[in-house]
Amino acid sequence: GAVVSQHPSWVICKSGTSVKIECRSLDFQATTMFWYRQFPKQSLMLMATSNEGSKATYEQGVEKDKFLINHASLTLSTLTVTSAHPEDSSFYICSVPRGGYTFGSGTRLTVV
Amino acid sequence: AQKVTQAQTEISVVEKEDVTLDCVYETRDTTYYLFWYKQPPSGELVFLIRRNSFDEQNEISGRYSWNFQKSTSSFNFTITASQVVDSAVYFCALSEGISGTYKYIFGTGTRLKVLA
Repeated sequence: GAVVSQHPSWVICKSGTSVKIECRSLDFQATTMFWYRQFPKQSLMLMATSNEGSKATYEQGVEKDKFLINHASLTLSTLTVTSAHPEDSSFYICSVPRGGYTFGSGTRLTVV
Repeated sequence: AQKVTQAQTEISVVEKEDVTLDCVYETRDTTYYLFWYKQPPSGELVFLIRRNSFDEQNEISGRYSWNFQKSTSSFNFTITASQVVDSAVYFCALSEGISGTYKYIFGTGTRLKVLA
C-alpha cells in the first residue's frame, strides 16, 4: 500500500479559528483522496472525496463551506476546518485508494 | 443499500482465549471488497486484511483468521490465543467496485478488551 503522512497529529484551537490538516501521499500519485471523520467511540464516516485539480465531492450533510478541501497536487490534499466550533472536535483521517486503502495516522482536533 | 453491521459493541476476554468478531454486510454489487482494520487507542487504522468478493477462501495469518461466507454475507474475524496487545477497536468495512477504490462503508466497530 501507499505511505500516507498526515499532519498535524493533534491540534487544539480556539473557537472561531480555522485549522488546516495536510494529507500527503509519499510514494503514490493520488488523483483521489478521501477524508473521514470519527467522533469519540463512533465509526468512521466519509466526509468527502478530494479530487486532484477539481472540486471535492462532499457527502450528504457535510458543509462544504465549513470543510474546505484542496487537492492541488497528486501528493497533497488539505482539509481546512473554518470557523471551528467545539462540535467540530473530532478525529479526522485521510486515505489514499491504493492497495485497498491506506490511511494517514489521523488528526485529533479539539476546539475550545 | 450498502451497510456493514458489527453487532458486538464490546467484547471482553481473558488472555489466551479465542475470540470471534462478527461482520455482516449488505450490498447489491457483485464485485466488492471487504476489509478489517484495527484501531488501537492511538487512533491510527492498521490494515489487517482485504478480501474480494470472488475469493471465498478462508485466510489465516498467524493468530488471525477470517471466514468469508457469501451465502450469509458474513466476514468474521477470529483471534486465537488472544493477547493484551490485541485490545483495540476493530472495524469491518466494505468497498464496492471492481478495483475497490470507491468509498469505504465502515461498521460501527467492536471494542475488544483482552484482560491479563
